[in-house]
Amino acid sequence: GAVVSQHPSWVICKSGTSVKIECRSLDFQATTMFWYRQFPKQSLMLMATSNEGSKATYEQGVEKDKFLINHASLTLSTLTVTSAHPEDSSFYICSARPPGTSGDGIPYEQYFGPGTRLTVT
Amino acid sequence: GQNIDQPTEMTATEGAIVQINCTYQTSGFNGLFWYQQHAGEAPTFLSYNVLDGLEEKGRFSSFLSRSKGYSYLLLKELQMKDSASYLCAALDSNYQLIWGAGTKLIIKP
Repeated sequence: GAVVSQHPSWVICKSGTSVKIECRSLDFQATTMFWYRQFPKQSLMLMATSNEGSKATYEQGVEKDKFLINHASLTLSTLTVTSAHPEDSSFYICSARPPGTSGDGIPYEQYFGPGTRLTVT
Repeated sequence: GQNIDQPTEMTATEGAIVQINCTYQTSGFNGLFWYQQHAGEAPTFLSYNVLDGLEEKGRFSSFLSRSKGYSYLLLKELQMKDSASYLCAALDSNYQLIWGAGTKLIIKP
């Protein structure tokens, strides 16, 4: 159980175009989803937290107009990178968190998707 | 401010034991997670500690001292596949995960 999928797993796009990444919780309802970015050889950087049905909360320094997040349902969140530039090339990872305690008895456990590698040319 | 410290890189020999330390300073504390991340992949859950003491799970064990703001991950009988980054993350009073920068573990034959 507790599987999170991401689509696409990798994408190459041209500078100036927009790219949408989907994150789905397949076998549980996720009241909260998180979007991370990771540059090579660096740790995870939290970009934003999204709760179903409400606006996402962005971390300091993350442009909300550039990285549009929509948490439309309890199983789906999307991240759209608008007007992408080469510096947006990165590994984007989502995670989903069910309410309360996980099946393993762990509070607020996050389940990670496999990640999406974005390359902007 | 909130801060997690762990070594940037460690090297160990196949078959040996390695201990990866993590110190944390957070606003409140609701537990500490360890994740493993292979290059190009998402993190996978290893352990969660909220009470003081050692939790053993096969070749991996995790220790927590809340009074010292300290945790370690112990890996025994190292295998080449254990080469990865190990991420320490603390859950603060708002149940937000505060991430460390990760420790890259290199296993040599």
